[in-house]
Amino acid sequence: DTAVSQTPKYLVTQMGNDKSIKCEQNLGHDTMYWYKQDSKKFLKIMFSYNNKELIINETVPNRFSPKSPDKAHLNLHINSLELGDSAVYFCASSQDLSLAGGKTQYFGPGTRLLVL
Amino acid sequence: AQSVAQPEDQVNVAEGNPLTVKCTYSVSGNPYLFWYVQYPNRGLQFLLKYITGDNLVKGSYGFEAEFNKSQTSFHLKKPSALVSDSALYFCAVRDHGGSQGNLIFGKGTKLSVKP
Repeated sequence: DTAVSQTPKYLVTQMGNDKSIKCEQNLGHDTMYWYKQDSKKFLKIMFSYNNKELIINETVPNRFSPKSPDKAHLNLHINSLELGDSAVYFCASSQDLSLAGGKTQYFGPGTRLLVL
Repeated sequence: AQSVAQPEDQVNVAEGNPLTVKCTYSVSGNPYLFWYVQYPNRGLQFLLKYITGDNLVKGSYGFEAEFNKSQTSFHLKKPSALVSDSALYFCAVRDHGGSQGNLIFGKGTKLSVKP
């Protein structure tokens, strides 16, 4: 069973479109994250949610809107897609935000977004 | 601000030889350090972490890492490399700021193991 899953795996779309990426974890974790990996493989946090509450919103354009309908899901909606949005988007989850035990984050397989 | 540095873009090793992938960190307070591996067109897989205790941490697939506080390093090691170890390796530190919990990643090191 996949612990953290994302759909779709690949997404090719035109500039200006609106698209969503879905993420689900079956680990019973409280905290979920979205990371972006650019063309140089650099990984950076975008958002984190804890118990459906937004914790981090890094310097991400407001065209990106995360939504967490429940603790097991964190979806990413992107409006008015731009060429620069092309990247791999990774969802991750961890048990919670506490430092105790240095909670490991488990990553999904990624969604490869290409904006034409 | 917390940060990690991976000074090598690529490491080349012959199969059977020992490998080291370097990582140095800068944190305020106690470091929580992680190594992840990314195979081509795949997600990140957790290898190991250092939280506290023994400076030598053992992880998945025969990898280990040595925490060195005086040198602020957390190098990844394996005694005998396999061709299948070829992948992109990321060192990360947990952001201590507030209750954020996110990881701050190095830029990654590509490991190439030749037969």
